[in-house]
Amino acid sequence: SQQGEEDPQALSIQEGENATMNCSYKTSINNLQWYRQNSGRGLVHLILIRSNEREKHSGRLRVTLDTSKKSSSLLITASRAADTASYFCATDGGYGGATNKLIFGTGTLLAVQP
Amino acid sequence: DTAVSQTPKYLVTQMGNDKSIKCEQNLGHDTMYWYKQDSKKFLKIMFSYNNKELIINETVPNRFSPKSPDKAHLNLHINSLELGDSAVYFCASSPRQGKAFFGQGTRLTVV
Repeated sequence: SQQGEEDPQALSIQEGENATMNCSYKTSINNLQWYRQNSGRGLVHLILIRSNEREKHSGRLRVTLDTSKKSSSLLITASRAADTASYFCATDGGYGGATNKLIFGTGTLLAVQP
Repeated sequence: DTAVSQTPKYLVTQMGNDKSIKCEQNLGHDTMYWYKQDSKKFLKIMFSYNNKELIINETVPNRFSPKSPDKAHLNLHINSLELGDSAVYFCASSPRQGKAFFGQGTRLTVV
């Protein structure tokens, strides 16, 4: 299986704290993406980082990518109760751009306590 | 306007029945997918279509048959439903190597 893994599987923090989630994957990639899923809803795209990028920011989100270690991290700063959700990383399987196959990690369930 | 819409949202059916889930995207994307999310939240790709052509078929039983009448639609037909097919099925679309847009999911319960 090419599915990546995320850790921790679950994370509980207080509002205002930072949350860090890690993702490891197995194949070469063109890009890595992070998605969020609220309970009972579809996934929503958060941020995309290309294989030649090392860090990317979007609002309170900061993503890093280390292709030598095949790993990425998502940092959410100053968390809010509304950030409570499952977070997934996804890689494109590194098919050299010939196709598009998003492979998702196992997800991190984040609970932000008010 | 809903970017990726799938119907129905809920589907409860008996073992052995045949059912279909429909998906439509109005984003003009070339690639569409079906994913299965199990009770542990694992998201597994089932199929990927690019411009109506099947690109990826991931070890899915042949009871599952996708159909893409045009690049804006990708339907999923399931024959002889089994208890283990109970899951949430997500349709998604994306441009090449870009971010994916997901539908709201179809919660399938086989009884």
